[in-house]
Amino acid sequence: AQSVAQPEDQVNVAEGNPLTVKCTYSVSGNPYLFWYVQYPNRGLQFLLKYITGDNLVKGSYGFEAEFNKSQTSFHLKKPSALVSDSALYFCAVRDPNTGGFKTIFGAGTRLFVKA
Amino acid sequence: ETGVTQTPRHLVMGMTNKKSLKCEQHLGHNAMYWYKQSAKKPLELMFVYSLEERVENNSVPSRFSPECPNSSHLFLHLHTLQPEDSALYLCASSQDVTGGGYTFGSGTRLTVV
Repeated sequence: AQSVAQPEDQVNVAEGNPLTVKCTYSVSGNPYLFWYVQYPNRGLQFLLKYITGDNLVKGSYGFEAEFNKSQTSFHLKKPSALVSDSALYFCAVRDPNTGGFKTIFGAGTRLFVKA
Repeated sequence: ETGVTQTPRHLVMGMTNKKSLKCEQHLGHNAMYWYKQSAKKPLELMFVYSLEERVENNSVPSRFSPECPNSSHLFLHLHTLQPEDSALYLCASSQDVTGGGYTFGSGTRLTVV
C-alpha cells in the first residue's frame, strides 16, 4: 500500500534563509509525487509534481523539489524564504500501478518564516 | 478563485438535519474528488468520480452520499451526521484520474452540533 510521511509537524526559518520541508514515501512501483500548499481558510494549491524525467522539479513561487529514489524522498526546497511562504505544506503520492486515482496526502508540515 | 467553487463556505447542522454540499468546476476536468480534512490528520479521500462514474468509495459511512450529475458538478449529501464528522470538506478536480495535479476548492467548514 502507498503511504507518505512528513516527519516534521513544524519548520521554522528566518526570512532570506533556505528552507527544506521533508517528505518520504512508500509505493510498490514508480511514484507520482506532488507538493501542495494551504493558506488559512483556503483549499490546497498545487505547487509542483514529479512524474518522470529530471529529478529536480521546479514549481510555483520559487519552490523546487528533488526526487531521490534510493532514499524514497521528495523534499521541498526554496533557496530564500519569504514571510509570505508561511503556510501548511502537504506532500502527496500516487501509485499509477494500482489504478492511479488514489492520491494519498501526508499530515502536513506547518512552515513559519520569521522576519 | 481556483476554478473550483464550493458552497456553502460554512455550514452548521444538527445531527438530524439533511444538507448538501456543492462543488462546481468549469475547467473542463473529467475527474472530481471529495476529501475530508480534520485537524492534525492527513487528508482523507472519500470519493472519486471519473467521467461522472464513481470509481472509488473509500469506506465512507453511508450517512455521506455523493452525486455527480455531470462532469462539472459534484454534490455531497449529508444526513444524520455525528459531531466527529465536523471538518473541512474539500472538493478537487483534475484532468483525469492519472497523472495530473489537483485543483482544490476553498472547502466547506462543517460543524455538526
